Amino acid sequence: SQQGEEDPQALSIQEGENATMNCSYKTSINNLQWYRQNSGRGLVHLILIRSNEREKHSGRLRVTLDTSKKSSSLLITASRAADTASYFCATDGGGNNRLAFGKGNQVVVIP
Amino acid sequence: GAVVSQHPSWVICKSGTSVKIECRSLDFQATTMFWYRQFPKQSLMLMATSNEGSKATYEQGVEKDKFLINHASLTLSTLTVTSAHPEDSSFYICSVWGGRNTGELFFGEGSRLTVL
Repeated sequence: SQQGEEDPQALSIQEGENATMNCSYKTSINNLQWYRQNSGRGLVHLILIRSNEREKHSGRLRVTLDTSKKSSSLLITASRAADTASYFCATDGGGNNRLAFGKGNQVVVIP
Repeated sequence: GAVVSQHPSWVICKSGTSVKIECRSLDFQATTMFWYRQFPKQSLMLMATSNEGSKATYEQGVEKDKFLINHASLTLSTLTVTSAHPEDSSFYICSVWGGRNTGELFFGEGSRLTVL
């Protein structure tokens, strides 16, 4: 079953602005991940944050995790047109060896 | 990370025919592969877990006789959509776990199936 739910689902921003998207989940987790999907393509792993971590950075990406609220956010700083894609969070369901994906956020960065 | 290849990338078929989609792990031996289905502008739905040398594990609501999965080797899993109908038209994506217990999934490029 799908656990993650992202809000908002569509975001349009100007190049150079920051993009923030959120994800909520329902069960316990060992980790939460964010993936990116360009239109008509497979998914690419962006970043993984473990349940005992609160914040993680990778390049222009910043992920936060609040396990008390069962939510996560992904921030893309100084966005570029090439960041236009759909972004999905995924949870491991507490270690059941399967990932459940959220609904996704479609981000459009206008040059 | 693992390199995953899917073939074909797109296929159009007539209603009632069967279509086979291949998923290959090119540089990594995968005892487990995952098959997802994605409708336009929607999320990925896990269909089944493909297990090398044994039967696949299907998610609730997925017809195992409709979606045949074979994982005959450590580098190849196939998904066959049998007697395809227009409602089976979708984007099918396979994935494998990355090595060294990274917790990451590596995905193929997906296969778009259109059933006329």
